[in-house]
Amino acid sequence: AQKVTQAQTEISVVEKEDVTLDCVYETRDTTYYLFWYKQPPSGELVFLIRRNSFDEQNEISGRYSWNFQKSTSSFNFTITASQVVDSAVYFCAIQGGSEKLVFGKGTKLTVNP
Amino acid sequence: DTEVTQTPKHLVMGMTNKKSLKCEQHMGHRAMYWYKQKAKKPPELMFVYSYEKLSINESVPSRFSPECPNSSLLNLHLHALQPEDSALYLCASSPGQTYSNQPQHFGDGTRLSIL
Repeated sequence: AQKVTQAQTEISVVEKEDVTLDCVYETRDTTYYLFWYKQPPSGELVFLIRRNSFDEQNEISGRYSWNFQKSTSSFNFTITASQVVDSAVYFCAIQGGSEKLVFGKGTKLTVNP
Repeated sequence: DTEVTQTPKHLVMGMTNKKSLKCEQHMGHRAMYWYKQKAKKPPELMFVYSYEKLSINESVPSRFSPECPNSSLLNLHLHALQPEDSALYLCASSPGQTYSNQPQHFGDGTRLSIL
C-alpha cells in the first residue's frame, strides 16, 4: 500500500517569506509517480507538478521549486517570496502500479499581507 | 477556466430526492473519476471509468450510481442520500488509466448539501 504523509497541517506566513511544504511517501513499487496539487477555496484541484521515481532532478518553475530525494522518500515543495494568492490547501500525492492516486492529508497555507 | 466542467456547482436536496451530477471533458481523455471530499480532508476516490467501462468501485453505497454515456460525459446519480453524504464531489479525467504518469485534471466540483 502507498502512503503520503504531510506532517504540517497548517502554515501561516507573511507575504514575501519563503515557505517549504513537506511530503514524505511510502511505497513498495519501484516505478511510481509523485504529484503536487493546489486547492484554492474555490474547490478545484490544480495540478502543479509530476515526478517519476527515476528522475531525481530538482525542478524550478518561477517562484515554485521541488526537491525530490529518494534516499529520504521526500518530495518537498518550496514557494519563494510567497504571495497572498498562494493561500490554498496543497496536496502531495503518489500513484504507482495500482493506478489509484493516493493523497496526503494536505497542508493549508495562509499567506498574510 | 478548467477543462473539466461540472454542473451544478451547488446542490441542496432532501433525503428522498433524486438528482444527478454531471461532468464533461473535451480533452480526449479516456479515464474519468468521481471523488468525494469532506471538509479539511483529502479527496477520496469513488469510481473510475476507463474507456467508458466501470473499472473501479471503491465500495461505494448503492445510493450513488455512476454512468458514463460516452467518453466525454460522466454522471453521478443520487438517490436517498444521507446527511453524511454532504460533501464536495469532484470529477477528474486523465488520458487513460494505464498512463499513471499522466496527471488527473479536476473540475471545480459540486458542493452537495443533504437536508
